[in-house]
Amino acid sequence: QVQLQESGPGLVKPSQTLSLTCAVSGGSVSSGGYSWNWIRQPPGKGLEWIGYIYYSGHTYYNPSLKRRVTISTDTSKNYFSLKLTSVTAADTAVYFCARGYGSGRFDYWGQGTLVTVSS
Amino acid sequence: DIQMTQSPSSLSASVGDRVTITCQASQDIRNYLNWYQQKPGIAPKLLIYDASNLETGVSSRFSGSGSGTDFTFTISSLQPEDIATYYCQQYNTLSFTFGPGTKVDIK
Repeated sequence: QVQLQESGPGLVKPSQTLSLTCAVSGGSVSSGGYSWNWIRQPPGKGLEWIGYIYYSGHTYYNPSLKRRVTISTDTSKNYFSLKLTSVTAADTAVYFCARGYGSGRFDYWGQGTLVTVSS
Repeated sequence: DIQMTQSPSSLSASVGDRVTITCQASQDIRNYLNWYQQKPGIAPKLLIYDASNLETGVSSRFSGSGSGTDFTFTISSLQPEDIATYYCQQYNTLSFTFGPGTKVDIK
């Protein structure tokens, strides 16, 4: 059973960088055929896909965020990470990590972590 | 960018009712359409993938249909545990977009 667990600071100051990691167990971030995704949800709102890193290391980001986003993996520790620069209050959200499979479906999700951007 | 719309934005139905939600894409996405259920404070759960395939372990009272730009999600007999928000999600040309969600309540 694949499990994902997000971790990182719950509070980030405006203009700083949001950094989160997602630990993967029961599977490998190097496994062929999967993408490793970040998705966020502002309080009371809908879901927004941020980007993914493929098992091969290829990345693709939401065009609306791509100038500020970096997703990377650490295969030795079996986790992947999100960095979002120059954050504002609009980046306050629950951040989920999720595994992507097949035709872009997200079949396993972390529980989510709330990140608040505030001074 | 492909935009997704869902209707209705919310609905109230009685236990045992048949519930239908529609999702429309701004351009042809073939059958690259998935449906999720999200309960408050919990991560979304995949219910239907590729428009009409039931995810393993998901109740058969959930079903999906459609292709191209118009899709439908159905709960055949609404149960109290189905109270949640339901999202459609498309995959096309390497990018993903979610619909705005439909909140389902018990009348």
